[in-house]
Amino acid sequence: DAGVTQSPTHLIKTRGQQVTLRCSPISGHKSVSWYQQVLGQGPQFIFQYYEKEERGRGNFPDRFSARQFPNYSSELNVNALLLGDSALYLCASSLYGQSTEAFFGQGTRLTVV
Amino acid sequence: GIQVEQSPPDLILQEGANSTLRCNFSDSVNNLQWFHQNPWGQLINLFYIPSGTKQNGRLSATTVATERYSLLYISSSQTTDSGVYFCAVEETGGGADGLTFGKGTHLIIQP
Repeated sequence: DAGVTQSPTHLIKTRGQQVTLRCSPISGHKSVSWYQQVLGQGPQFIFQYYEKEERGRGNFPDRFSARQFPNYSSELNVNALLLGDSALYLCASSLYGQSTEAFFGQGTRLTVV
Repeated sequence: GIQVEQSPPDLILQEGANSTLRCNFSDSVNNLQWFHQNPWGQLINLFYIPSGTKQNGRLSATTVATERYSLLYISSSQTTDSGVYFCAVEETGGGADGLTFGKGTHLIIQP
């Protein structure tokens, strides 16, 4: 069975540009969450989507947005990139979102130059 | 929001040694997971353990929810156990706020 898949695996962008990251959850899972992990820290929660609706949002600026599609895949968009947005972006898949086990993809490593 | 503290931050052991990693959290939780992050960044699920005790091979975990801590035991360590171990929790009644992670324990197993 396929696990959580993310694309692309690596990305280099210039300050001010926009980026779109993609995630496909485990088959049957209806919830996708996004996390940002900067070097030396634990992942930080950005968004949670369940049944195509945003259910939770972490402490991130409005430059960050996301959506979930009818097939439960998801996109994370970041506008007006800053150097500080350089990080590993992780997508997590779970059956229902809250109170269910989360499984992570391999991540997208974003470098902003 | 809920606070998660992991200890120790760093641990260096010889192959074959046993280790205990601790996770303290500041409020009641309805989800607690232990992960191992490999050098490529992938978070590998070890345990989903909001309460009780589980074992999987050389690894076991115990969560005492009433006292707000969880322990991860690694026995007979191997060099492949090296990496960062994260504890992550979801606060009860916290809404859809996702998992809150600790800062991790960096484990190095020397041959």
